[in-house]
Amino acid sequence: NAGVMQNPRHLVRRRGQEARLRCSPMKGHSHVYWYRQLPEEGLKFMVYLQKENIIDESGMPKERFSAEFPKEGPSILRIQQVVRGDSAAYFCASSPPVTGQETQYFGPGTRLLVL
Amino acid sequence: LAKTTQPISMDSYEGQEVNITCSHNNIATNDYITWYQQFPSQGPRFIIQGYKTKVTNEVASLFIPADRKSSTLSLPRVSLSDTAVYYCLVGGNYQLIWGAGTKLIIKP
Repeated sequence: NAGVMQNPRHLVRRRGQEARLRCSPMKGHSHVYWYRQLPEEGLKFMVYLQKENIIDESGMPKERFSAEFPKEGPSILRIQQVVRGDSAAYFCASSPPVTGQETQYFGPGTRLLVL
Repeated sequence: LAKTTQPISMDSYEGQEVNITCSHNNIATNDYITWYQQFPSQGPRFIIQGYKTKVTNEVASLFIPADRKSSTLSLPRVSLSDTAVYYCLVGGNYQLIWGAGTKLIIKP
């Protein structure tokens, strides 16, 4: 059973470009979470999605950031018009349907560098 | 949402037992306690989760006193490969709040 997969592992963008980060959850998991991590800090929750639904996006900036989890295919975190402050590691996690405190399983992350 | 407090860093030696304590004074009735391990340039890895008393798996033990205001992660006979950051989280749903974790360094 493959774990959570993320690609690309590393992404370099110039200011103003768009960044697309992909996440494929573990088999059987229908819930996806995106987190951002700055160096020497803990993870910060961004958004929680189920298939075709955004459940909670309270941690995601209102502008330039969007996320989706279509019926088919991976979850996408999209950052438009990137700025240097967007440079960070972005982690995706997945879990089975949430009925209580389900364990979140994390992918290897995408390291975004904005030049 | 409960906030956790853990030591910033700890040192130990190979073969020793390491105990990392986490304080969560405002833990809610429905909150579970979960510990993750993170190596550099990798995603966090689930270690153990508990609600009360003691939980043990093949990797670690988790001790939770009756008042649940703290918890202790116990790593038996650590090795160099246990050098990592360890995060203690509490939460009743997906809204997990991550602190800076405890940087554990194991020396030969």
